[in-house]
Amino acid sequence: NAGVTQTPKFQVLKTGQSMTLQCAQDMNHEYMSWYRQDPGMGLRLIHYSVGAGITDQGEVPNGYNVSRSTTEDFPLRLLSAAPSQTSVYFCASRRNRQGRDSPLHFGNGTRLTVT
Amino acid sequence: DQQVKQNSPSLSVQEGRISILNCDYTNSMFDYFLWYKKYPAEGPTFLISISSIKDKNEDGRFTVFLNKSAKHLSLHIVPSQPGDSAVYFCAASSGGNTDKLIFGTGTRLQVFP
Repeated sequence: NAGVTQTPKFQVLKTGQSMTLQCAQDMNHEYMSWYRQDPGMGLRLIHYSVGAGITDQGEVPNGYNVSRSTTEDFPLRLLSAAPSQTSVYFCASRRNRQGRDSPLHFGNGTRLTVT
Repeated sequence: DQQVKQNSPSLSVQEGRISILNCDYTNSMFDYFLWYKKYPAEGPTFLISISSIKDKNEDGRFTVFLNKSAKHLSLHIVPSQPGDSAVYFCAASSGGNTDKLIFGTGTRLQVFP
């Protein structure tokens, strides 16, 4: 199993550009989520999904869109990139909606720089 | 407003000694806590968890202690090994239908020979 796969690994954008960060999992996990990691801020939840067709906002959702048309894929869209969105982005999934005894599995991250 | 706090950004410990990483939380609704370990250029990986109905959970060299009255948890690593050098995140959730996981800011542990 590949687990959670994120593409691309690195990306540089200019302010105002849009792009999509891809995330796919092959474990048939119900729950998927996006986090961003910034120095001194830890991991902050952007958006999450408890199943295909269901998404909701996390702690820092502004400037990002998500959709979940299939169980496997959970892309994160930056509508108009800003320098404040320079960060490392992690996609994570877990088997169940409930996190008890169902820990998150993380991808290896996408490092995004917005100039 | 940081609901999960790790006040020590870094910790340096000699190989073979005990490493103690601390975490405080403010939300009294949190009832499930986890620790993740992260190596550079990799995603975090799950280490150990504890439910609020317990005050201790052990897994090999790793033990997590929970003090609900103080809203404090700690991760003990005994004995520490150089391969334990990583960033450690604590995380908490309050259950419910979506059970969102809220992470702390992380502590960088360095284990030296």
